Amino acid sequence: AQKVTQAQTEISVVEKEDVTLDCVYETRDTTYYLFWYKQPPSGELVFLIRRNSFDEQNEISGRYSWNFQKSTSSFNFTITASQVVDSAVYFCALSRGYNKLIFGAGTRLAVHP
Amino acid sequence: DAGITQSPRYKITETGRQVTLMCHQTWSHSYMFWYRQDLGHGLRLIYYSAAADITDKGEVPDGYVVSRSKTENFPLTLESATRSQTSVYFCASSDRGGEETQYFGPGTRLLVL
Repeated sequence: AQKVTQAQTEISVVEKEDVTLDCVYETRDTTYYLFWYKQPPSGELVFLIRRNSFDEQNEISGRYSWNFQKSTSSFNFTITASQVVDSAVYFCALSRGYNKLIFGAGTRLAVHP
Repeated sequence: DAGITQSPRYKITETGRQVTLMCHQTWSHSYMFWYRQDLGHGLRLIYYSAAADITDKGEVPDGYVVSRSKTENFPLTLESATRSQTSVYFCASSDRGGEETQYFGPGTRLLVL
């Protein structure tokens, strides 16, 4: 079965703290893609990153970084020095073939000043 | 550069009425998708389309109908709206289906009374 689990329903931090959002996935496919999306309070879904199953290198983009570990089926997302503008719901998703994007339930991040 | 748009952005209707949600993209993407977002469920796929005149069911298709006569448009119709269809509906498109990044419209918030 294909499944994405985001066990953290809500996280609350104070500005400038580092925070990691966990994502664990299940799949029997050898080729797959993982994604992270951000949904700010305004409601739109913003694409953050796409990673294929053959590329386990970690990625850094400014204050954002992603740790992909196939051994533990995890694709965790870290925000360094969080800011109030990072407050949003973050979704991890797994693609399966050409017609399915399976989303986790999301993690709501609240960054307080 | 409009990207992907949805209309209406907000809709209130009554049980039993037919409602059509519109989705339009300007990228000439082959694939288009409809998702619904409900608290605790993340996003769930309703229907998708691989090209004009090619559509298929997703995870939660019951009560919905889609069509795709033109590449750029992918309307979603609720034939007889029910209260359980109160949700936020997102349209998305991608160049080559699930393995490629899906880009989302702004969403339509639907309330069925």
